[in-house]
Order: sequence, then C-alpha cells, then structure tokens
Amino acid sequence: GQQVMQIPQYQHVQEGEDFTTYCNSSTTLSNIQWYKQRPGGHPVFLIQLVKSGEVKKQKRLTFQFGEAKKNSSLHITATQTTDVGTYFCAGRKDYKLSFGAGTTVTVRA
Amino acid sequence: ETGVTQSPTHLIKTRGQQVTLRCSSQSGHNTVSWYQQALGQGPQFIFQYYREEENGRGNFPPRFSGLQFPNYSSELNVNALELDDSALYLCASRDTMTGTGNTEAFFGQGTRLTVV
Repeated sequence: GQQVMQIPQYQHVQEGEDFTTYCNSSTTLSNIQWYKQRPGGHPVFLIQLVKSGEVKKQKRLTFQFGEAKKNSSLHITATQTTDVGTYFCAGRKDYKLSFGAGTTVTVRA
Repeated sequence: ETGVTQSPTHLIKTRGQQVTLRCSSQSGHNTVSWYQQALGQGPQFIFQYYREEENGRGNFPPRFSGLQFPNYSSELNVNALELDDSALYLCASRDTMTGTGNTEAFFGQGTRLTVV
C-alpha cells in the first residue's frame, strides 16, 4: 500500500538557523500537502503542491515537490520560537491522504 | 478556525464498550474523512465518505464504521473498544467532485478518546 516516509523524526534547531525536513512516497502522488501541529492541537494546513517540480514559498518556509511527484521537502530559514511544533507531509492518491510520521521541531533560544 | 467541529472533545470509555464520535463539516463540503492519530504518530486514514457513501477505507477492522448524513455531517462508530484504540480522532472535510481531486482538507480539533 501507499507509504509516506518523513525524516528526520526530530529536529533541534538553534534560533536563527535553517533546517529542512524531507518526505518520500512509495507511489506517485496526485498532490502533497504540508501541515503543522502544535502540541495538544490538530493539524493545520500549510500548503498544497500539485505540479511536478513545483516550488512555493510562504515567508520563511519553502516547499518543493519532486519531479517524479514522489518526494517533497520543507525548508525553514531563520528559525523562530514560533516554528515549534510537528510538521507533517501528507501525500494524496485518489481518495486517500497518507501522512508521514512528522518532524518534531524544537528551538533553542 | 476551520469551520469543522467535532464532539465530544474528550471521552473516556471502558474496554469492550462502543463509542460514537461526531463531526460537523465546513459549510458546502461534501467529503469527510476520519483519521486516527496515536500519540507521537501521524494521522492514519480510517475511511472517507462522499455524498453519504463510504468511498475509501484504510487498514482498519470492520468494528470501525461510519455514517454521513444529508447535511454532510458525519459519525465514526467504534465497537468492542480495545486499549489500543486510545488516540486522537480527527475528521477532515473538503469539497470534491467525486471524492478525489486536489482540494484542501480542513481538520477539526479532534476527539481525544481514552480506553481504560
């Protein structure tokens, strides 16, 4: 079945530094979505990528969708304490949205 | 806020009991999916309802069942509860043509179920 793998599982970042989280699917996807979940909260939609090779930016966040539509990355620059949380990628194929295990980000001030 | 509301927010049940969780979709959204999120893990797809019919299911046993009503609200029912069913249950609604397609899913705040 469809599997979505996400690395790293944990990311400890010094405030002001950059980091990247990676997502890989075992199958070609219709689209990939990224969510952020704060402790005790629910997943909040960040962005959706649909086209092969697509790149989208949201302020300090840069999202990429691979050419084969099987992998994606989220790059955050100049990390801030507000970036704390777990970032999930979720790949959609037909009706099913498959989530990765998430990258939990902590920030050292 | 996403406009997707779930009830109750927290629930404690005993092993072997049955539970019904409810989800009110965002206005105009005809497609509802349910997810189970165990502690420290990503949400796992349970099933999806489109126009009152189940049109997709993940790797969950038949004791996980659901309903979607004409107003597109939805229920998740779990029979014969097991300890491992303890998790955050999330519903997500979106508007689709056939239950598929590239539309954003809006999540509710979830119901935290504890089975003891």
